[in-house]
Amino acid sequence: SQQGEEDPQALSIQEGENATMNCSYKTSINNLQWYRQNSGRGLVHLILIRSNEREKHSGRLRVTLDTSKKSSSLLITASRAADTASYFCATAVTSGTYKYIFGTGTRLKVLA
Amino acid sequence: ETGVTQSPTHLIKTRGQQVTLRCSSQSGHNTVSWYQQALGQGPQFIFQYYREEENGRGNFPPRFSGLQFPNYSSELNVNALELDDSALYLCASRSSDSYGYTFGSGTRLTVV
Repeated sequence: SQQGEEDPQALSIQEGENATMNCSYKTSINNLQWYRQNSGRGLVHLILIRSNEREKHSGRLRVTLDTSKKSSSLLITASRAADTASYFCATAVTSGTYKYIFGTGTRLKVLA
Repeated sequence: ETGVTQSPTHLIKTRGQQVTLRCSSQSGHNTVSWYQQALGQGPQFIFQYYREEENGRGNFPPRFSGLQFPNYSSELNVNALELDDSALYLCASRSSDSYGYTFGSGTRLTVV
């Protein structure tokens, strides 16, 4: 089952615009991570935010976490065509074993 | 640092057959997880190995099994293949002191 649900499922923007995607999850988490996947290949780790953090930045990426609402957002500023990919949130759950549960993903298309 | 490599990259099998997928973890990574990703979906957690012991399993039947070797490479075995097993299979590794996973590029399995 999917722990996280990303919203929107698909997003199309012009190069230079900002892209915002959201992730909602169901259970308590240790941390939340965002990954990027190009063309159905391997996932690339983008950023991690711990449950006691509210905001984190990495280059053009900004992640927020609201544990009371069980939600996170990923903002990509000044988007580029190379940002075209699917983006997934992954939540670390510790029930039974420490594992990551991925959401359904947001497909981002940046038009040049 | 060599990253995570998976083999083969593509594979076609017949329903009822057995398949073994291989993963070479990144140097220094003692934890490996396997994921199944159906087309258009997020990765689904299959199981995780830590120092050659399975320490977590997702909602997959026993015909999905695995091994982790002393050099931390691993295998995913699937018996009695079904058409629904057609998917991208991803291997991901991490070290004990890191939360972020390094993913391989995956094996695309097609069951006909």
